[in-house]
Amino acid sequence: KQEVTQIPAALSVPEGENLVLNCSFTDSAIYNLQWFRQDPGKGLTSLLLIQSSQREQTSGRLNASLDKSSGRSTLYIAASQPGDSATYLCAVRPSAGGYQKVTFGTGTKLQVIP
Amino acid sequence: DGGITQSPKYLFRKEGQNVTLSCEQNLNHDAMYWYRQDPGQGLRLIYYSQIVNDFQKGDIAEGYSVSREKKESFPLTVTSAQKNPTAFYLCASRDRVSSYEQYFGPGTRLTVT
Repeated sequence: KQEVTQIPAALSVPEGENLVLNCSFTDSAIYNLQWFRQDPGKGLTSLLLIQSSQREQTSGRLNASLDKSSGRSTLYIAASQPGDSATYLCAVRPSAGGYQKVTFGTGTKLQVIP
Repeated sequence: DGGITQSPKYLFRKEGQNVTLSCEQNLNHDAMYWYRQDPGQGLRLIYYSQIVNDFQKGDIAEGYSVSREKKESFPLTVTSAQKNPTAFYLCASRDRVSSYEQYFGPGTRLTVT
């Protein structure tokens, strides 16, 4: 059974700092990994999707990396801003065809202090 | 704009009443999902549907029911049999053609007293 862990559960940083969020998974046989952002009381917004054949994906100040063999993904946020404050979740999909259960982490709650 | 809409945003019900949460998407996605989110827990899958007129139970289907009569719509009914219905409910759809990326709606906060 796939387990996805995100540590720490909460993180507080001053504005402007570069930071890394971690996502660990126990089964390396994945199809893709997706990072989401969730603001309080809102739905999930997709940030980056990394296919199993990729090592990293970038979007603006965000960079996500994937190391399948070690069961890890990181989300790097450059020059953090107060608007980045949210909960960040990762989700792992095991394979492509038919139905496969996506497993979500419980998230890291980020607070960027002005 | 393409996306997923959920209504209402907030819903209040008395214990013993059934309630239906709406989910509509105009992304032309075949697959749709309902998740439940509780504080401190990851998202838990209630039901999913990969195609019209077909749906399957997820991990916590007891006390819930769904229908999928149209590709765009996947309503969730929370029945009186659901013991702890108060939660945040999220609907999602998945791009099955290009990337298998999941997209989420804004959620419905259900409070049952």
